[in-house]
Amino acid sequence: QKEVEQDPGPLSVPEGAIVSLNCTYSNSAFQYFMWYRQYSRKGPELLMYTYSSGNKEDGRFTAQVDKSSKYISLFIRDSQPSDSATYLCAMTPLAGGTSYGKLTFGQGTILTVHP
Amino acid sequence: GAVVSQHPSWVICKSGTSVKIECRSLDFQATTMFWYRQFPKQSLMLMATSNEGSKATYEQGVEKDKFLINHASLTLSTLTVTSAHPEDSSFYICSARRLGQETQYFGPGTRLLVL
Repeated sequence: QKEVEQDPGPLSVPEGAIVSLNCTYSNSAFQYFMWYRQYSRKGPELLMYTYSSGNKEDGRFTAQVDKSSKYISLFIRDSQPSDSATYLCAMTPLAGGTSYGKLTFGQGTILTVHP
Repeated sequence: GAVVSQHPSWVICKSGTSVKIECRSLDFQATTMFWYRQFPKQSLMLMATSNEGSKATYEQGVEKDKFLINHASLTLSTLTVTSAHPEDSSFYICSARRLGQETQYFGPGTRLLVL
């Protein structure tokens, strides 16, 4: 079993739709969570980061963390064709331990928003 | 901001030659830099972690004599692929992290093609 599971999709939605992207994880040491967006042939771009359970909002993006269920989500409101990309969840333990600082990624979800 | 650059963005070389890839943090000091490799339609695979002024720590299965990493300053890390072979062809991405922060900021990536 992988430490982080992410549905690879592909996910196709119409413009304006609300998109929900999800990851589950098994390692309770993970305390810091990030979402990255990666366009084809480009490096990942940081969208959101959080280390608290609950919701964090930034513009059209909301990151949600439920540590009790080991489940994180990214919601995209009013999706646009320019949001078409691969979305990667990533997580890491906080200070201490041999895995400190290393990100564990999900497999990535391919999203297409069509006009 | 947190901008990371990579140079070159793409490189084609003959089998047996060595290739150097630079990773720079442009507007912050990066005490730790990471090097990843990404195959098509796959997530990022961590190759090594480098701390400024220290030897790099390589992940299991990554040959340290083949992938030489130098992190001589707080804004520059280099990855040298020595005696490159076609199987080394891949997308190489670096990331950088500030002291005391967990968030990693990624470069745009370098596409290597070994003929």
